[in-house]
Amino acid sequence: DAGVTQSPTHLIKTRGQQVTLRCSPKSGHDTVSWYQQALGQGPQFIFQYYEEEERQRGNFPDRFSGHQFPNYSSELNVNALLLGDSALYLCASSLVAGGFTDTQYFGPGTRLTVL
Amino acid sequence: DQQVKQNSPSLSVQEGRISILNCDYTNSMFDYFLWYKKYPAEGPTFLISISSIKDKNEDGRFTVFLNKSAKHLSLHIVPSQPGDSAVYFCAATWGSSNTGKLIFGQGTTLQVKP
Repeated sequence: DAGVTQSPTHLIKTRGQQVTLRCSPKSGHDTVSWYQQALGQGPQFIFQYYEEEERQRGNFPDRFSGHQFPNYSSELNVNALLLGDSALYLCASSLVAGGFTDTQYFGPGTRLTVL
Repeated sequence: DQQVKQNSPSLSVQEGRISILNCDYTNSMFDYFLWYKKYPAEGPTFLISISSIKDKNEDGRFTVFLNKSAKHLSLHIVPSQPGDSAVYFCAATWGSSNTGKLIFGQGTTLQVKP
């Protein structure tokens, strides 16, 4: 049973560039959430996608956007990169049951470095 | 505003002894709490959870205790094993958040010495 997978593993970009990160959910899951984990901090919720729509958004600027595909995989896009966007980006998948999101399972993350 | 706090950045215990990791929260709307474990170069792995209608939940060597009046929860690992060495995150969410949006603490690094 494949778990949550993310690509790429590592990425180096320069300020002002744009980046796309990808996530495939665990088999049987229909929901993808994205989190940003800065060094020495806990993960922070960016947004969640369900039924190809953004379901809830955390306190992140519009430079952060996402997409969910019919096969439930998801992309996170970040425009106009800033140095402060350097972090580990985690994808978590889950199943919605009765309108509520069940336990979230995380992928290994993508380490983004902005120079 | 840090709604979930893990005030101990690190903890070191001897193999076979008990590890106790602590977590405090400020938002009284939280009604579901989780612990995740994270090894380097891996994503957080779900360990155990507890609903606010309970004060204790056990799963093998792991037990989570919830004290709602103190807005405090703790994770007990008995007996501790060297493979338990990792970063432990406490997380909270609330039932009205149907997305299950998780609010994480900063993490506690546990080292279990052989």
